[in-house]
Amino acid sequence: QSALTQPASVSGSPGQSITISCTGTSSDVGGYNYVSWYQQHPGKAPKLMIYEVSNRPSGVSNRFSGSKSGNTASLTISGLQAEDEADYYCSSYTSSSAYVFGTGTKVTVL
Amino acid sequence: QLQLQESGPGLVKPSETLSLTCTVSGGSISSSSYYWGWIRQPPGKGLEWIGSIYYSGSTYYNPSLKSRVTISVDTSKNQFSLKLSSVTAADTAVYYCARQDGGEGAFDIWGQGTMVTVSS
Repeated sequence: QSALTQPASVSGSPGQSITISCTGTSSDVGGYNYVSWYQQHPGKAPKLMIYEVSNRPSGVSNRFSGSKSGNTASLTISGLQAEDEADYYCSSYTSSSAYVFGTGTKVTVL
Repeated sequence: QLQLQESGPGLVKPSETLSLTCTVSGGSISSSSYYWGWIRQPPGKGLEWIGSIYYSGSTYYNPSLKSRVTISVDTSKNQFSLKLSSVTAADTAVYYCARQDGGEGAFDIWGQGTMVTVSS
């Protein structure tokens, strides 16, 4: 199974909105609503930010939102803050009864 | 609150078997709603799902690792374990255990991770 495709880096200024894309196929992202997003700060374990395409776990800021169109899922961070600077990974369940992560995106707050 | 903690050797020789255990505290591994998974991350690289297990022992694995991976569960100890055989330097990574919401769902609670280096 191939990793989902994400841009290597995305940047924005404080207060701006940014969007990270996650492209797969009809066998993963496009075929299931089991897309999730994780935030990872250096040296730390990943943290779940979005599950089932657009749901936020308790305690996650409403500045984070998720969506999906066809084989591409997206994570939008609005009102960008310095603490949002981190690596972000998408993931999806697949038709092979497996689980695949994205290639990862480094978010830089300018 | 639920916590997960990985344990095991930090150094494994090439061709040997990597063995790690994840201890679940603050909750039961036998909860009917959850699977339990292993994910790894080579230094400077992205996340890779290794496999997941249900408390009944039902498993599913990453097809690219399936021939070398065994995940097992010990409900009496509230633990689940990973064995990866015939390791090479490419298996050097931080290994995380995590709780998975259903067999298809997200990994919502993670351990802190443990670094395993494959070297002679």
